[in-house]
Formats: sequence, C-alpha cells, structure tokens
Amino acid sequence: DTEVTQTPKHLVMGMTNKKSLKCEQHMGHRAMYWYKQKAKKPPELMFVYSYEKLSINESVPSRFSPECPNSSLLNLHLHALQPEDSALYLCASSRGGQGRNSPLHFGNGTRLTVT
Amino acid sequence: QQQVKQSPQSLIVQKGGISIINCAYENTAFDYFPWYQQFPGKGPALLIAIRPDVSEKKEGRFTISFNKSAKQFSLHIMDSQPGDSATYFCAARGIYNQGGKLIFGQGTELSVKP
Repeated sequence: DTEVTQTPKHLVMGMTNKKSLKCEQHMGHRAMYWYKQKAKKPPELMFVYSYEKLSINESVPSRFSPECPNSSLLNLHLHALQPEDSALYLCASSRGGQGRNSPLHFGNGTRLTVT
Repeated sequence: QQQVKQSPQSLIVQKGGISIINCAYENTAFDYFPWYQQFPGKGPALLIAIRPDVSEKKEGRFTISFNKSAKQFSLHIMDSQPGDSATYFCAARGIYNQGGKLIFGQGTELSVKP
C-alpha cells in the first residue's frame, strides 16, 4: 500500500459542483505535489508546495485551487470544471523541495469524471 | 523546452525474456534519472533511479544503463515476468531542482506474455 493516501478514490461531479480532493502523508515529507494524468499519458505537474508554501503553479486554470493546511495534508478544491478536466489526479510527496535525492512518492490517485 | 524522449511506446516480451526501454534527453542540466512503474488503477511507484556519475545501477532484475555523452539511459528488465506488465515512465530532474519538478517520458506499455 502507498504511504500517500488520497480520497476519494472516485469522484463524479457536474460542471456546476464544488468538490475537494484530499491527500495525506505521514512520512515527514515537506514537499507535496498535485499531478494530473490522462489515459496513456505521463503525469503532468500542476502545483508544488514546499514547506507549506505554494512554490510552483504550472499555469493551472483558477477552477483548480490548491490548499496546504499543514505539512501532512494537501487539498485540491474544484469548481466549475469542464468535461476535459476528467482525469486521474495524483498527489505526491518528497522529503524536501530542494533535495536532489528525494524521490517522489505517489498516491493511487482520484479518478475524476466531470459530466 | 526540456524534453525526455522514450521508446518504444509499447513492448511485448515473452516470459523469461529481456525487456529494454530507452530514453534520451536534451538538457545537460539534469542530474537525477528515476524510473517509475505504474499498474492500472494505481499511482506511479519509484522502481529504480540513477545519477549521471554512475554508468550502471542494478537492483534485482532491474538495471539502469546510463550513457552521459550520448544523453541516453535505458531500463533493462531481466527474466521478465507477467507481473512486470505495467506502464513504465522514465524521468529526469534538473540540477537546480526547480522545486522538485520531474520531466517525464511519454511512457512504455509493457506486456509480458506467459
């Protein structure tokens, strides 16, 4: 089992809904990430939090809003999504944002379907 | 634009055979090269990683070969098993880390036939 836990595993939402994805890790990692993955494609970086501060936003539309309440938790708030936003959303963590030998640990993702 | 090019896109290997996946990069400012394995419905999991000061790294049946001058690295899976059937992604990370950003290859879907 992965040490990065994501909830829910599956989510179906309408284009007018507001929902949140949650991610939790207890490895003491200080960097946390959101990735989006389409079928048969590599993960695409969305956001990076380093020491609970947003350090990278890969020009993600504002309908995606990340939040890092503490060093163990990462949320992704969703609002007014489009069908093309349907994808697997992966959370990951690493020991430190600047650590060279700090591999990413991924969760198993939330499968999001926007109807 | 930093890129990592991965080939082949898909690979079918008989049980017991050797699976070889190749990656090439363009930016010499990369200094960490991990490989991730992803099963359907799961997140990617780190399989093995190498730094460019090493030409080869072996962990069990998995070996990374690294050619710094050619800017190429490859994953060899010896004695391939049906349980190895998954999608494999190579990746690279910059020397200055860029906040931990990994550049992924496009992935290789490996199928090991019994």
